This record gives sequence, C-alpha cells and structure tokens, in this order.
Amino acid sequence: ETGVTQSPTHLIKTRGQQVTLRCSSQSGHNTVSWYQQALGQGPQFIFQYYREEENGRGNFPPRFSGLQFPNYSSELNVNALELDDSALYLCASSRTQGGVTEAFFGQGTRLTVV
Amino acid sequence: GENVEQHPSTLSVQEGDSAVIKCTYSDSASNYFPWYKQELGKGPQLIIDIRSNVGEKKDQRIAVTLNKTAKHFSLHITETQPEDSAVYFCAAPNQAGTALIFGKGTTLSVSS
Repeated sequence: ETGVTQSPTHLIKTRGQQVTLRCSSQSGHNTVSWYQQALGQGPQFIFQYYREEENGRGNFPPRFSGLQFPNYSSELNVNALELDDSALYLCASSRTQGGVTEAFFGQGTRLTVV
Repeated sequence: GENVEQHPSTLSVQEGDSAVIKCTYSDSASNYFPWYKQELGKGPQLIIDIRSNVGEKKDQRIAVTLNKTAKHFSLHITETQPEDSAVYFCAAPNQAGTALIFGKGTTLSVSS
C-alpha cells in the first residue's frame, strides 16, 4: 500500500457535467501529480502541484483544473465532460530523494462519461 | 524523458521461465528510470527503479539494466510465477522533471 488514497473509486457522469476527484497524498510528500490513463494505454500527465501551486502541466485543455490544500491533499476538476474523458484518473504523491523524484500512485478513480 | 518506447506489448511465458521487457528513451539528460506493475483494477505500483549512475540493480527475482549510451533500459524477471501476471510500465522523467513519461505497457501472462 502506498498511502495514497483517492475518492471516489468509480463515477458515472453525463456529457457536459462537471466532476471533482479527490486525493490524499502519502505522509511527508508535498507534491501531487494527476494522470489520465485510457484503456490499454500508459498514464498521461495532466498536471503537478507543489506547495499549493501548479508546477507543470501536460497537454490537457483548461477545463482540467486542480487544487492542492495546505495538508497537501488535492482535487482534480473537469468541466464540460466529454465522452473521451472516460478513463482511470490516477493521483501520485512524490518525494525527492537523492536528486530524483519517486512517485507513488493511488488506486485511481474510474470515470465513465455517458 | 519526452518519449519512451516499450517492447513487447504482450509477453506470454511458462511458470519458471524468465521475462524481459525493453524500453528506450529520447532525452539523454534523464537520470531516473522506474518500473511499475499494474494489476487489474489497481493503480501502478513502483517495483524497482534505477538511477543513471549505475548500470544494474537487482531485487530478488527482478533486475533492471541501463545502457546510457544506447538510451535503453530493461526489466528482467527470473523464475516467473503466476502472480507476476500484470501490465508492466517503464517510465522516465520529462525534461522539466515535473512528470513521468510512460511507455505503453507490456501485458505479461505467466501460465502454470
């Protein structure tokens, strides 16, 4: 177990709706990243938060947004849901050790858009 | 980082055999190469990683090798067991160091 918890585990939404996914990071980790994993693919980087600020972003539109809170937990918000947003959304909390950043993933939230 | 290629996409072995998965990366500045195992319905689990200052690292039945000149790294699993069946991903950091770039995954099936 990584200590990274995500909620909910499964979610069904209608096209056009908005969704909020939540993540509690591992104790001692101040960096949280979000990834989207489509079926049969590797995870794709959405963005990273470090000390409550966005610290990097992948190739995702602005309707994907996030927050990080003082306790380092995080939210991913997606507006105007599209069918292609159906995927497993993964949260990873990170620590930097010896000059490299190790990432530990939660179990993910399976989002289905209908 | 930036681009990571992974082969093969599927691999079937008999219990007790060895399995090898290979990845190449494009950013010569990359210094960290993790491997993740993902079981059905779960998130990726970090199983082993290697830094750029070593050529090989071993942890019980799994090992990773790194060839910086050729920009490729490999995962070796010896004495495979049915519980090794999963999807394996290699990854490398992006140029900014803010994200991991993942390969497309290898589905390993170990039959008894």
